[in-house]
Amino acid sequence: GENVEQHPSTLSVQEGDSAVIKCTYSDSASNYFPWYKQELGKRPQLIIDIRSNVGEKKDQRIAVTLNKTAKHFSLHITETQPEDSAVYFCAASISSGDKLTFGTGTRLAVRP
Amino acid sequence: EAEVAQSPRYKITEKSQAVAFWCDPISGHATLYWYRQILGQGPELLVQFQDESVVDDSQLPKDRFSAERLKGVDSTLKIQPAELGDSAMYLCASRGDRSSNYEQYFGPGTRLTVT
Repeated sequence: GENVEQHPSTLSVQEGDSAVIKCTYSDSASNYFPWYKQELGKRPQLIIDIRSNVGEKKDQRIAVTLNKTAKHFSLHITETQPEDSAVYFCAASISSGDKLTFGTGTRLAVRP
Repeated sequence: EAEVAQSPRYKITEKSQAVAFWCDPISGHATLYWYRQILGQGPELLVQFQDESVVDDSQLPKDRFSAERLKGVDSTLKIQPAELGDSAMYLCASRGDRSSNYEQYFGPGTRLTVT
């Protein structure tokens, strides 16, 4: 089955700096890669996703890049703000309707 | 905005007792998932339903866990008997269709503590 590894497990940045979280996956058949943000005690919420026919996708301060050859994808947050502090999970699935295999999460802390 | 509902939000039970969780997906969502999230880890799929049918329960510990979605709408996850290692957050999610980009929407979860 699919295995998703995520790094780093914790990340602390100064407000205004950029943050990058990286994930690798094992199943070359995976073609849907969402990122979820989970604030303390709250439900995971989708913040951005990418499909294998696209190499990069951007939504305001958030961007995701995908390298299918290397089987890795990354989340980039620019101009970080304190409200970006949360746990971020990457995930992968064979199709957008299939079960998600999640990474272990990255706890991002943005220092004011 | 429609949301996935779950109850209870918190449950404390003693080991060997039975416990049940309920999930009401977003109206019209045919696919429903139950995930277990151990503290400090990502969610792991327990069971996936398409309407009332189980699509994937390969990671469901069937000796003690059961799940049903009798009318293809709301769903119940049961644990009997509960063990200490079952302490976790149990998340329900439902999936939209092409019009919602197939996004999985998560409920607030039920935090289970087994003592």
